[in-house]
Amino acid sequence: NAGVTQTPKFRILKIGQSMTLQCTQDMNHNYMYWYRQDPGMGLKLIYYSVGAGITDKGEVPNGYNVSRSTTEDFPLRLELAAPSQTSVYFCASSYDQGAGNTIYFGEGSWLTVV
Amino acid sequence: AQKVTQAQTEISVVEKEDVTLDCVYETRDTTYYLFWYKQPPSGELVFLIRRNSFDEQNEISGRYSWNFQKSTSSFNFTITASQVVDSAVYFCALSEAGGGADGLTFGKGTHLIIQP
Repeated sequence: NAGVTQTPKFRILKIGQSMTLQCTQDMNHNYMYWYRQDPGMGLKLIYYSVGAGITDKGEVPNGYNVSRSTTEDFPLRLELAAPSQTSVYFCASSYDQGAGNTIYFGEGSWLTVV
Repeated sequence: AQKVTQAQTEISVVEKEDVTLDCVYETRDTTYYLFWYKQPPSGELVFLIRRNSFDEQNEISGRYSWNFQKSTSSFNFTITASQVVDSAVYFCALSEAGGGADGLTFGKGTHLIIQP
């Protein structure tokens, strides 16, 4: 029952460093998503993917990049970390189109940029 | 544009009290889906319920119940006989059928504190 697995769970980055948040799902879901959650706010969509090789921007894509080489994996890359990217990041997946299909979330990755 | 409003930022009640979390949504679509997620202190997001716009039947699951009213664009969540383990942040979310594959629009969440 792995579901959506994301790593690392916690990370501290220095300004300007780069890193990749890994996400993998074992439910054979076509759709995958990256959200960020800031204190007191709901989740905001960064990027999403409707299948291998296809990605698209969400509401807050600036400063991030994604790739989807396989159905299972959807890594999120921060190229030049900035303090504004301090947040909790959630990877998620759903079987089919987002509307109407339950989206399942990973356990979150706490990222601090100092 | 779609929008979800959870006006209650924080609610604190004593254990065993009933509590209702409000959710008001805006959408131009006639087909849409509403969700509730729970985020306990450990941080993960736990799916609670999904409701489509054509099904206005209220739903009960144990101590949890949901009241969906299209006339007031509301999808409220009630916990009966609250327990300390219910303490969490609860998010209401909306997905439009015509909105493509871009996931959910979340409210800002309601932090529920159940005091022993």
